[in-house]
Amino acid sequence: EAQVTQNPRYLITVTGKKLTVTCSQNMNHEYMSWYRQDPGLGLRQIYYSMNVEVTDKGDVPEGYKVSRKEKRNFPLILESPSPNQTSLYFCASSVRTAFEQYFGPGTRLTVT
Amino acid sequence: GENVEQHPSTLSVQEGDSAVIKCTYSDSASNYFPWYKQELGKGPQLIIDIRSNVGEKKDQRIAVTLNKTAKHFSLHITETQPEDSAVYFCAASPYNAGKSTFGDGTTLTVKP
Repeated sequence: EAQVTQNPRYLITVTGKKLTVTCSQNMNHEYMSWYRQDPGLGLRQIYYSMNVEVTDKGDVPEGYKVSRKEKRNFPLILESPSPNQTSLYFCASSVRTAFEQYFGPGTRLTVT
Repeated sequence: GENVEQHPSTLSVQEGDSAVIKCTYSDSASNYFPWYKQELGKGPQLIIDIRSNVGEKKDQRIAVTLNKTAKHFSLHITETQPEDSAVYFCAASPYNAGKSTFGDGTTLTVKP
C-alpha cells in the first residue's frame, strides 16, 4: 500500500529535550516536505526537499532541522524544543515538487 | 513571498445544497492550485487541482475555477452529502517549485 508514515504519532516532551520525528514514504517520491498545522493558521511549510541531499526552507523553518540522506526518509529534528512548537506536524511527499502531495497521518507534539 | 487567503473559515449547508469556497493569492508566479480535504484525525488528501493554463476543471460533484487575472480560484461542491463534512484547504505554488503556501482552511458542515 502506497503511504507516508510518521513516528511517533503522539509525543509529549519538555522544553530543551532534543527530539526527532521520522517520516518515511514507499512511493519512490523525489519530493518531501514538512508542515505544521495550528488552529486558524492552516498548514505552514517548515522545510522541503526536492531530492536526496537537497533541502530548503519553507515559511517557518526557525527551530527546526531536517536531513535527506535517503530518498524514502525525511526526519524532522527539534534540537531544543520550546512550547511554541507545540503543534500538529504533517509530512508529505510527491513525485516531484509540490505537485499532488500525499500526506502522512500527522504527529501531535506537546512541549511543556 | 506568496500569500493565500481563504474564505469563509466556516460554512454550513443543508444536504443537497451547493458549497463554494474561495481563495485569493498574491504571487503571479504561482501556477498550480490544489485543493485538499482533511477529515477528522487524518492528514489532508488531494481532491482536485488546477493549473494556470485552464480556467475550470470538474470531477463528478467537485469543480474548481481559476481567474488568473484576478488571482482567485474557487472550489465548488454540488449536491453536498454529510460525508463532505471536513476541513478544506486551498494552496498555491509555482508548478516546478518546492514551496507551497496554504490557506487557513474552511470547515464545511453538511447537515442531514
